[in-house]
Amino acid sequence: QSVLTQPPSASGTPGQRVTISCSGSSSNIGNNYVYWYQRLPGAAPKLLIYRNNQRPSGVPDRFSGSKSGTSASLAIVGLRSEDEADYYCAAWDDSLSGHVLFGGGTKLTVL
Amino acid sequence: QVQLQESGPGLVKPSETLSLTCTVSGDSISPYYWSWIRQPPGKGLEWIGYIYYSGSTNYNPSLKSRVTISVDTSKNQFSLKLSSVTAADTAVYYCARGIEAASLGYWGQGTLVSVSS
Repeated sequence: QSVLTQPPSASGTPGQRVTISCSGSSSNIGNNYVYWYQRLPGAAPKLLIYRNNQRPSGVPDRFSGSKSGTSASLAIVGLRSEDEADYYCAAWDDSLSGHVLFGGGTKLTVL
Repeated sequence: QVQLQESGPGLVKPSETLSLTCTVSGDSISPYYWSWIRQPPGKGLEWIGYIYYSGSTNYNPSLKSRVTISVDTSKNQFSLKLSSVTAADTAVYYCARGIEAASLGYWGQGTLVSVSS
């Protein structure tokens, strides 16, 4: 069971706005940056958001990240069919000499 | 263009050691975090550990007693060894590069390793 908690599924219709949450604790999200990954079917994960709300070059501005306290969110506006994928949050955790945590993942379905 | 490629046996017997190598092209090993991540069938991503270009390592506490990650800068490669494997270690194994431990900007395509007799 992941220490970073995500909803197992989310859905939306094309053009809609969808948010995916990631809940943690003071030892991870509360005290460290949050990262978001997109894993399209059959592909390796792709870094979507780094340092809470920064987009790597090439990531559309339809994707945005935010963090408040021990929770974080990924928002997708103008939903497209190609956004159908698994989304994972990640963060450094300060406990047990420090390590990286991934959330359990959220499967986004575009209806 | 940075590329990472995993290589190693696709089938490992229970109780044996899983060994994978990640070959890096398009950039040198330094100064990044070189990580291994896995995804068991039907499950989410699990961080295994990293080696920093200086040689320091950090491992998932749940796997720490069985994991060793090493780097060979002369070959631009880093490697994963996971000992005493069981069926629960069956997964797609990815190598990745990060500027921070959790900021993994480049990934290999992944390689499926099955643990079975």
